[in-house]
Amino acid sequence: GESVGLHLPTLSVQEGDNSIINCAYSNSASDYFIWYKQESGKGPQFIIDIRSNMDKRQGQRVTVLLNKTVKHLSLQIAATQPGDSAVYFCAERSGGYNKLIFGAGTRLAVHP
Amino acid sequence: DAGVIQSPRHEVTEMGQEVTLRCKLISGHNSLFWYRQTMMRGLELLIYFNNNVPIDDSGMPEDRFSAKMPNASFSTLKIQPSEPRDSAVYFCASSGERFSTDTQYFGPGTRLTVL
Repeated sequence: GESVGLHLPTLSVQEGDNSIINCAYSNSASDYFIWYKQESGKGPQFIIDIRSNMDKRQGQRVTVLLNKTVKHLSLQIAATQPGDSAVYFCAERSGGYNKLIFGAGTRLAVHP
Repeated sequence: DAGVIQSPRHEVTEMGQEVTLRCKLISGHNSLFWYRQTMMRGLELLIYFNNNVPIDDSGMPEDRFSAKMPNASFSTLKIQPSEPRDSAVYFCASSGERFSTDTQYFGPGTRLTVL
């Protein structure tokens, strides 16, 4: 889910469980989507991307799903580890160039 | 393999002072983006350069902000005069058509505090 202001939505999971982070995007004309991970004190780090002509893309322990009908993007993390604790941002590209619009972010908290 | 480099990592200054933030792109990249991150507004694009030319500066807050690319691998973001509401973390990111990728790679950020 998305949020504005000071309070990010938080997803709490147990270590070893699968995590699903959701994102609603705004522009049906967006053609490219990215998930970034941001750890405390660091810059956003690229995780995985997907183009609008795809529904699913898999990486190492991560899968991104795209549902263009409802303008929804999700990030699935398999076997979540403590090192996965961070804020996760989805971003969409809808401009004529590589301009990304970022969501508000979701905080993932992994508990032992 | 060096990523995007930003300096300084932290800057504390007083209201009215000039602040200059610096960014070195990843070698071979030709697109440069400056972002500002705050708790209230999240990540906002300030300005985008392609091949050293500013393409979109619609996100620059006001005339107190200016950005330059004196060469293909380096950029500066200047705030003059600075105000407390400019306090934020400033990121630059680069991407490169040369590598046939649209992915923007972010630097570690500069945390700016204006007192």
